Amino acid sequence: GENVEQHPSTLSVQEGDSAVIKCTYSDSASNYFPWYKQELGKRPQLIIDIRSNVGEKKDQRIAVTLNKTAKHFSLHITETQPEDSAVYFCAAPSGGSYIPTFGRGTSLIVHP
Amino acid sequence: NAGVTQTPKFQVLKTGQSMTLQCAQDMNHEYMSWYRQDPGMGLRLIHYSVGAGITDQGEVPNGYNVSRSTTEDFPLRLLSAAPSQTSVYFCASSYTSGSSYEQYFGPGTRLTVT
Repeated sequence: GENVEQHPSTLSVQEGDSAVIKCTYSDSASNYFPWYKQELGKRPQLIIDIRSNVGEKKDQRIAVTLNKTAKHFSLHITETQPEDSAVYFCAAPSGGSYIPTFGRGTSLIVHP
Repeated sequence: NAGVTQTPKFQVLKTGQSMTLQCAQDMNHEYMSWYRQDPGMGLRLIHYSVGAGITDQGEVPNGYNVSRSTTEDFPLRLLSAAPSQTSVYFCASSYTSGSSYEQYFGPGTRLTVT
């Protein structure tokens, strides 16, 4: 099955700085890579995703990049704000299915 | 649309007791899955279903059973609760659009086994 590694486990930044979270995956057949945000006590929610035929995707202050050769993808958040503080999860589909394997999560803390 | 609903929100069990966590979705999604979330471990897949009558095991299936008799409902049964099953449980459903899909999560059930 798919193995997803996510780093770092904790990331602390000052408001206005950029934050980068990186994930690697093992299954070269994986073709869809979503990112979820989970605020404290709430459910995970999709914030951005990327398909394997695209190298980068942006949505306002967040962007995701994908390197299929190296089998890694990253989440970039620019001009961080305190409300960006949350746990972020990357995911990749398992064995060609539509059921994702999640990384262990990154706790992002944005200090005002 | 209510989306994905889960009951109960909180539950305390004694070791050896059994119970069923309920999950329902009203979006006509084919795929449904159960995850458990433990600190530092992310979301680990317990069981999943690709349609009514079809279920399969995920990464951590031991101690849990599922069934999918309708598209809407996907209950998770704990057969004999153990303290190691103390966790937050999320049910999710998803549709597929080409190669992409989005998981819609329920609000979660916080389970404590004493």
